Amino acid sequence: GENVEQHPSTLSVQEGDSAVIKCTYSDSASNYFPWYKQELGKRPQLIIDIRSNVGEKKDQRIAVTLNKTAKHFSLHITETQPEDSAVYFCAASKPGGYNKLIFGAGTRLAVHP
Amino acid sequence: EAGVTQFPSHSVIEKGQTVTLRCDPISGHDNLYWYRRVMGKEIKFLLHFVKESKQDESGMPNNRFLAERTGGTYSTLKVQPAELEDSGVYFCASSRQGDGYTFGSGTRLTVV
Repeated sequence: GENVEQHPSTLSVQEGDSAVIKCTYSDSASNYFPWYKQELGKRPQLIIDIRSNVGEKKDQRIAVTLNKTAKHFSLHITETQPEDSAVYFCAASKPGGYNKLIFGAGTRLAVHP
Repeated sequence: EAGVTQFPSHSVIEKGQTVTLRCDPISGHDNLYWYRRVMGKEIKFLLHFVKESKQDESGMPNNRFLAERTGGTYSTLKVQPAELEDSGVYFCASSRQGDGYTFGSGTRLTVV
């Protein structure tokens, strides 16, 4: 069945460093790839997304890249800050699936001052 | 606009009891989804409503779980009887067709 693998499960960086989280999806028909950030005790919130007709998208300090051939997509956070500490989830969905999202297992990012 | 609201935020019940979770989506959002996250694992799809109809319930674990969406507005998810493995955080999300999700804050269910 469809699945999304996410690595690493935990990531610890120093403030100011970059962080990269990688995901691999199994269904080649997937065409929408959102990333969610969940702070402790709060709801998952969409931080950036990319569609399969685009290879890269950037929004200030965060960027997402997509390699359709390899079925990989990655989240890049530059100049990390302590408030970036959270659990990050990648997800994938495909056309005709009514936006049903298949999530990765999450990455717990800790940014140390 | 008001966000997606879930009740209760926490629930602790004994094995064998019944629990009902409620989700109020954003007004006008036809799509309503239920997901569950078991400790440390992925957020797993349970089911999807379009208005009052179940579009996809392929993720429902077994017949102890029953979801309804009255009149295409709020939704309930009932677990009866609850088992230990049902513990986790249950998320609801809603969207307009083609848009991204807005999640609720979740209900943390603990079955003891």
